[in-house]
Amino acid sequence: DQQVKQNSPSLSVQEGRISILNCDYTNSMFDYFLWYKKYPAEGPTFLISISSIKDKNEDGRFTVFLNKSAKHLSLHIVPSQPGDSAVYFCAASGQTGANNLFFGTGTRLTVIP
Amino acid sequence: GAGVSQSPSNKVTEKGKDVELRCDPISGHTALYWYRQRLGQGLEFLIYFQGNSAPDKSGLPSDRFSAERTGESVSTLTIQRTQQEDSAVYLCASSQRGTGLSPLHFGNGTRLTVT
Repeated sequence: DQQVKQNSPSLSVQEGRISILNCDYTNSMFDYFLWYKKYPAEGPTFLISISSIKDKNEDGRFTVFLNKSAKHLSLHIVPSQPGDSAVYFCAASGQTGANNLFFGTGTRLTVIP
Repeated sequence: GAGVSQSPSNKVTEKGKDVELRCDPISGHTALYWYRQRLGQGLEFLIYFQGNSAPDKSGLPSDRFSAERTGESVSTLTIQRTQQEDSAVYLCASSQRGTGLSPLHFGNGTRLTVT
């Protein structure tokens, strides 16, 4: 049973435009959310996170928005750059332990130069 | 400093053989995790170590899978009598603390192919 869902397997965006990656979750007990980025033949790398006490967290070109009532979060990348092309995984956790870290299936972002 | 190191990077084995995958976590990280990613799927949790104890083995798919960790250092994931459905990328990660607030640092994975 997939508790974290990324319904778009792929996304293509022009360089300079905004990329929006979406993620939905089903477990209302999740209270910490993370985005990881993965290049081919490499492990995922941590990108940005947000706690459930916030609805927005920004780090440079990356912003994560959390809508708890909708159990939805999104990652905005602006402006998008070709180097952002990668697979992005959404993950959710309960604070009681990272063994509760659940990942989505990923969205492959392609930024077209 | 060095990141999480996994070996081998690729492993091809015949169905029925045993394989052992190795993970060297970041020094000082007390928590260590094993995940796998099968083709077209997300990351599937396998097992979590806090120090050398494994409080959560709930993700191990069958009793053919086992893992151990020496102190707060190296971990090995062993798959006995491999099956074709075991083919996947096996990812190891470590973190400073075993909580959701401490991001995981992943290795590059071991790609296992069972023929």
